[in-house]
Amino acid sequence: DIQMTQSPASLSASLGETVTIECRASEDIYNGLAWYQQKPGKSPQLLIYNANSLHTGVPSRFSGSGSGTQYSLKINSLQSEDVASYFCQQYYDYPTFGGGTKLELK
Amino acid sequence: EVQLVESGGGLVQPGRSLKLSCAASGFTFSNYYMAWVRQAPKKGLEWVATISTSGSRTYYPDSVKGRFTISRDNAKSSLYLQMNSLKSEDTATYYCARLGGGTGSGYFDYWGQGVMVTVSS
Repeated sequence: DIQMTQSPASLSASLGETVTIECRASEDIYNGLAWYQQKPGKSPQLLIYNANSLHTGVPSRFSGSGSGTQYSLKINSLQSEDVASYFCQQYYDYPTFGGGTKLELK
Repeated sequence: EVQLVESGGGLVQPGRSLKLSCAASGFTFSNYYMAWVRQAPKKGLEWVATISTSGSRTYYPDSVKGRFTISRDNAKSSLYLQMNSLKSEDTATYYCARLGGGTGSGYFDYWGQGVMVTVSS
């Protein structure tokens, strides 16, 4: 199985700030990476796929980058509605998820 | 609008069985691979099963292989998960999800609201 290590586990940031979440794969996943947002009590929602493609309806302040084993999710100009947990997922092999990052407002 | 609505969850004793259902609407169900993903309380996400468009191919992680069976009825736009020999570690919210990307190995582009399964005596 491909292991996904996500960091940080939790993050506190101010409104308007830029936030970056990292995800590292145990082997090359050739951009087969997605990012999800999960608000409390809700199901996950797709944000990014193929490492850097924005899903339909997702605000442009979200962006993804990376290659090989290292990937990141960036949120520009943090909004209050971005408070959530974020998960990465690789799909180069059978799907596996990162442990998640809980984003809170400072 | 894509909609996925799960049902069938509840409290079940260890060793017993339970069958989950997912009703799909808003897209051509038979054109998409489908999957189940679970999330234990306060934990991360774990992929549970994937099924091909026709239902002829299924995929499972080792944690549920031999105990869980995914199936589908394209005429009814419905997805199912038969769970046998349930263990306490199967306690989780189970999500029905559609696979994007047009293949069996992909990202999950739409999710249901989830259904809770509690395995306890």
